[in-house]
Amino acid sequence: GEEVAQTPKHLVRGEGQKAKLYCAPIKGHSYVFWYQQVLKNEFKFLISFQNENVFDETGMPKERFSAKCLPNSPCSLEIQATKLEDSAVYFCASSQAEWTEAFFGQGTRLTVV
Amino acid sequence: KNEVEQSPQNLTAQEGEFITINCSYSVGISALHWLQQHPGGGIVSLFMLSSGKKKHGRLIATINIQEKHSSLHITASHPRDSAVYICAVGRGSQGNLIFGKGTKLSVKP
Repeated sequence: GEEVAQTPKHLVRGEGQKAKLYCAPIKGHSYVFWYQQVLKNEFKFLISFQNENVFDETGMPKERFSAKCLPNSPCSLEIQATKLEDSAVYFCASSQAEWTEAFFGQGTRLTVV
Repeated sequence: KNEVEQSPQNLTAQEGEFITINCSYSVGISALHWLQQHPGGGIVSLFMLSSGKKKHGRLIATINIQEKHSSLHITASHPRDSAVYICAVGRGSQGNLIFGKGTKLSVKP
């Protein structure tokens, strides 16, 4: 597609439940990035992929967060046993190659209650 | 002290004014990004630069690597420029960014 598509737009989970977020990068883009925006302006890098390979996962809280980008499937970010502090907007972005412009999806707002 | 500092935090301008938003950082970087987040939440990448100056329509971004400082300028501002402008620096791999807290710009007609 011509835009980064994130689903769902909104997700509500009870504390302790699992949350799974999806991101379809722009067709032909090799790099995918996940970010977490807590409150209004606190962005944090989580993980990046080059095709289906993890490129940089230094921002991932490993205990409960995992992510995949499998061929011919949307990328996914999964949070096991969600906590209240996981409430945030999760943005996905993609770029065609390294050090080229990144395009952002509209985000998934996760609310943990 | 945050590794990426933006100023001002909030900025109100009249339509047509020249706008400057500043970003200072304290770490070595591979590239600096300026992002725009619309009131609805959508994010647009405006610039990625590692030296000098880039221009896109009414937007100009400059970076001084020695002084660890970047500026985003908007000429002839318009109410549709109202958004949060975010500076982010890349430290290693592309996409691994440290973000500033953003500058909320409001342009009044």
